[in-house]
Amino acid sequence: DARVTQTPRHKVTEMGQEVTMRCQPILGHNTVFWYRQTMMQGLELLAYFRNRAPLDDSGMPKDRFSAEMPDATLATLKIQPSEPRDSAVYFCASGLTYEQYFGPGTRLTVT
Amino acid sequence: QQQVKQSPQSLIVQKGGISIINCAYENTAFDYFPWYQQFPGKGPALLIAIRPDVSEKKEGRFTISFNKSAKQFSLHIMDSQPGDSATYFCAASRPGNTGKLIFGQGTTLQVKP
Repeated sequence: DARVTQTPRHKVTEMGQEVTMRCQPILGHNTVFWYRQTMMQGLELLAYFRNRAPLDDSGMPKDRFSAEMPDATLATLKIQPSEPRDSAVYFCASGLTYEQYFGPGTRLTVT
Repeated sequence: QQQVKQSPQSLIVQKGGISIINCAYENTAFDYFPWYQQFPGKGPALLIAIRPDVSEKKEGRFTISFNKSAKQFSLHIMDSQPGDSATYFCAASRPGNTGKLIFGQGTTLQVKP
């Protein structure tokens, strides 16, 4: 049963610290998406990659967020420095064409 | 033009009843309309999807109705069960968008026993 995996599942950190979230897409999927979910804003697309190349990161605060795909089996989302307003659930999703399969998310709390 | 508007924000239905969630869009270039189901603490999961060349698609108790002229589509859950209690998101995508989905704001469904 192929699934998207994300680590860590929960992260509590202090303001100003660096946070790195990792995602392993489903093997063979060539598109990877990063989303942020909050009660107020719903699901927001932060960035996405196709064949490891960034296609769109316009949803991401550029000054503190960065997303990369070092290889086809790993996508990372980094926040440096983190702020309380970054507290949210961050989802990774992968897909081939239209269908997207979501991971279980990383719940981030910044105090 | 890129928005997908979803209603209602929340819905309470009795067990055995029909749950109906509606979505509207502006961009006529959209050609793929999925619905996602999300349980608390989990990621959204693809439930059912439709393309605009058909007016209805049914999978078990879940049906998408699509009205191309009105630019609206809806999810119907027949014989709603307490286990269907979740948040439902509609979404839309257009060709050449490399799979990027525009999501609605979500509907929280509670099915009462």
